[in-house]
Amino acid sequence: AQSVTQLDSQVPVFEEAPVELRCNYSSSVSVYLFWYVQYPNQGLQLLLKYLSGSTLVKGINGFEAEFNKSQTSFHLRKPSVHISDTAEYFCAVRIQGAQKLVFGQGTRLTINP
Amino acid sequence: EAGVAQSPRYKIIEKRQSVAFWCNPISGHATLYWYQQILGQGPKLLIQFQNNGVVDDSQLPKDRFSAERLKGVDSTLKIQPAKLEDSAVYLCASSLDLGQWETQYFGPGTRLLVL
Repeated sequence: AQSVTQLDSQVPVFEEAPVELRCNYSSSVSVYLFWYVQYPNQGLQLLLKYLSGSTLVKGINGFEAEFNKSQTSFHLRKPSVHISDTAEYFCAVRIQGAQKLVFGQGTRLTINP
Repeated sequence: EAGVAQSPRYKIIEKRQSVAFWCNPISGHATLYWYQQILGQGPKLLIQFQNNGVVDDSQLPKDRFSAERLKGVDSTLKIQPAKLEDSAVYLCASSLDLGQWETQYFGPGTRLLVL
């Protein structure tokens, strides 16, 4: 069965600093990969997704992620964060041929002024 | 376009009571999902509908949880009787179809506290 591990439960950074949120997955077959963001008291919103093709995926709000098949990783990055990026970020994986989306446990990103 | 609607937003009940949550997906979306999100964890799929049929309910605790989507539009998730460990946020999501690349759109969730 596939699983998703988000290596950091909390990541504090200063405003305008770069950030990387780490995600590793385990699967013996091809996967689709997603990053979702959850602002306080709101539902999840899709940031970006990797289906196929270029391994560098650009999403909304200046975020991007890189799919690394050899390292089974899909880390999320932003070169310069803003206070409004404070939220919980979830990595998710879906095996090709399966219906279920499996989420990681989330990383809380806190931006300090 | 209106998003996924859920009600109520918050619910507090005592253990052994019953509770029901309602979800109205985005218009035209055939696939509807219910997730349970326990504090500090990622969402876990409980049940998935395609129109009014169940696609996957393998992680639904069927002794106490039930869900229906009778007309293939809105859906209700029920817990009867509730246990303390059911305290969580219940998220509803919908997607246009079953395609694996389809984006799931989430509602704001119902926060349940069982005392």
